[in-house]
Amino acid sequence: NAGVTQTPKFQVLKTGQSMTLQCAQDMNHNSMYWYRQDPGMGLRLIYYSASEGTTDKGEVPNGYNVSRLNKREFSLRLESAAPSQTSVYFCASSEGVKLAGGTGELFFGEGSRLTVL
Amino acid sequence: AQSVTQPDIHITVSEGASLELRCNYSYGATPYLFWYVQSPGQGLQLLLKYFSGDTLVQGIKGFEAEFKRSQSSFNLRKPSVHWSDAAEYFCAVGAYSGAGSYQLTFGKGTKLSVIP
Repeated sequence: NAGVTQTPKFQVLKTGQSMTLQCAQDMNHNSMYWYRQDPGMGLRLIYYSASEGTTDKGEVPNGYNVSRLNKREFSLRLESAAPSQTSVYFCASSEGVKLAGGTGELFFGEGSRLTVL
Repeated sequence: AQSVTQPDIHITVSEGASLELRCNYSYGATPYLFWYVQSPGQGLQLLLKYFSGDTLVQGIKGFEAEFKRSQSSFNLRKPSVHWSDAAEYFCAVGAYSGAGSYQLTFGKGTKLSVIP
């Protein structure tokens, strides 16, 4: 069971470079999320997708774009990376609680550690 | 909007001692509450969750949590801590927005250190 898979696991960028973090889930979940984790700040929601074809901003969306490519895949793009975007990024998926089989929890990938110099 | 407060940034306990990690939430309706654990360099693993019913919920690794509506709290407890419990612990509240989308809001975490 792969669950939620993120790539790459590690990346070093120079200021101004662009990159895309990839995420795929094999649990047939409708909702997918991107969080960033910084020391002392917990996890903050960047963007989420409640269903295929929809995306919405979270708490800290500036400097990021997302694409929900299909039900399985949700990518996060940094168009012009800045040192403030140095962080660990987590992708997650969920079925919420209202749909049959929904457990409400988020299932997380292992994280992608990004350093912007 | 919902929010979660974890008052303790860092807690140190001796191995074998009891543990209580505090969590307070703010949400207008009955919340969906979660505790996650994160070992260094790892992703987040669900310890337990509360939706409704019995206010004392049991989780994995010997953890339990008690939902107290009057105090807006969902504290995590373990009667005897093991060295392998050293990790960071996150409390979270799940809720649906007005547009019908589901989100989890996390606290800032409590780092647990265990003294042998």
